[in-house]
Amino acid sequence: DTAVSQTPKYLVTQMGNDKSIKCEQNLGHDTMYWYKQDSKKFLKIMFSYNNKELIINETVPNRFSPKSPDKAHLNLHINSLELGDSAVYFCASSPQSTGIGGYTFGSGTRLTVV
Amino acid sequence: GQNIDQPTEMTATEGAIVQINCTYQTSGFNGLFWYQQHAGEAPTFLSYNVLDGLEEKGRFSSFLSRSKGYSYLLLKELQMKDSASYLCAVRVLTGGGNKLTFGTGTQLKVEL
Repeated sequence: DTAVSQTPKYLVTQMGNDKSIKCEQNLGHDTMYWYKQDSKKFLKIMFSYNNKELIINETVPNRFSPKSPDKAHLNLHINSLELGDSAVYFCASSPQSTGIGGYTFGSGTRLTVV
Repeated sequence: GQNIDQPTEMTATEGAIVQINCTYQTSGFNGLFWYQQHAGEAPTFLSYNVLDGLEEKGRFSSFLSRSKGYSYLLLKELQMKDSASYLCAVRVLTGGGNKLTFGTGTQLKVEL
């Protein structure tokens, strides 16, 4: 069973479009995250949700809107896509009181904006 | 904010030992993690330190000195499959919960 699964794995779209990425975890974790990894491989946190509530928003443009219908799901909707949004987006989850093991990451969604 | 530094690239020989250093400056420190990331794949957990000292896990060991803001990852008996990016990450406690902040990663190349 996949612990953290995100879809789609690849997404190619034109500038100005709106797209969504979905994430689900079956680990029973309370907290979920979205990270962005740019072309220089720098992994940067975007959002964190704990039990469906937004707890971290790292000055991400408001074109990015996360939604958590329940604590096992965290989706990311992006409006008016720009070239600079091209990156790999990773979903992750962790227990609220993370001990050994840290975060578990999904396999990533490679977004290419053309 | 957090500042995490690690070398950009390292090269080592198969069978050898390599040490990847990481220095950090942060407030609310609550643990240091090392992750391995192969090209095109997700980061995977390698090790975790919250207290000073050495944690050993098979061929991998990680060390932490909180007073110096310093950690290293030691890889022994290097194998070709160890060629990957190694990410140092610091967990901090914020008002709403914990946050894992990553360094830029060290690309390790293992050669014959």
